[in-house]
Amino acid sequence: DSGVTQTPKHLITATGQRVTLRCSPRSGDLSVYWYQQSLDQGLQFLIQYYNGEERAKGNILERFSAQQFPDLHSELNLSSLELGDSALYFCASSVGGGRGDTQYFGPGTRLTVL
Amino acid sequence: AQSVAQPEDQVNVAEGNPLTVKCTYSVSGNPYLFWYVQYPNRGLQFLLKYITGDNLVKGSYGFEAEFNKSQTSFHLKKPSALVSDSALYFCAVRAFSGAGSYQLTFGKGTKLSVIP
Repeated sequence: DSGVTQTPKHLITATGQRVTLRCSPRSGDLSVYWYQQSLDQGLQFLIQYYNGEERAKGNILERFSAQQFPDLHSELNLSSLELGDSALYFCASSVGGGRGDTQYFGPGTRLTVL
Repeated sequence: AQSVAQPEDQVNVAEGNPLTVKCTYSVSGNPYLFWYVQYPNRGLQFLLKYITGDNLVKGSYGFEAEFNKSQTSFHLKKPSALVSDSALYFCAVRAFSGAGSYQLTFGKGTKLSVIP
């Protein structure tokens, strides 16, 4: 158990809908990262927050957004969902945002868009 | 831009034999390298990392990795494979991605199967 929690574990929804994925980092970690894992794209970095502020952006679609709250938990919002958004979404956390910091991953949320 | 290559989609090894999972990288500047393992329906678990110093890095569950700068490689090794090592292994490199941030880039993953 990494100490990173994610809810829900599974999410099934329809095209065009909007969903919110939630992540609680390990105690003391200030950085939260979101990743998407799919069979065709592999593991893709989406976005990073550090202590409430956006720190880095990766391959995140405009339909997706995220935020980190004062208690350091984070939410990833996915809107206008398409079939291709079906994937595993992972959250990770680290103490800081430094290059050598180890990221610890949560168990993931499996999103299925029908 | 940084990149990671794991040239083998699958590696099969007999239980008790040594195992190697290959990784090569491309990055500007000094690489920060990581190995993670993913078991079915689970998140990624951190195994080990190379930041600087000794080229041989020891990690969790008896795994180690050797950093080779001239060959730009960071191969994962274990002297004696266990059936329970069967999983998906990811190599990753973290490098500067602009505006004071560092992005972790993953390889495609290598499926390791340890045969009893």
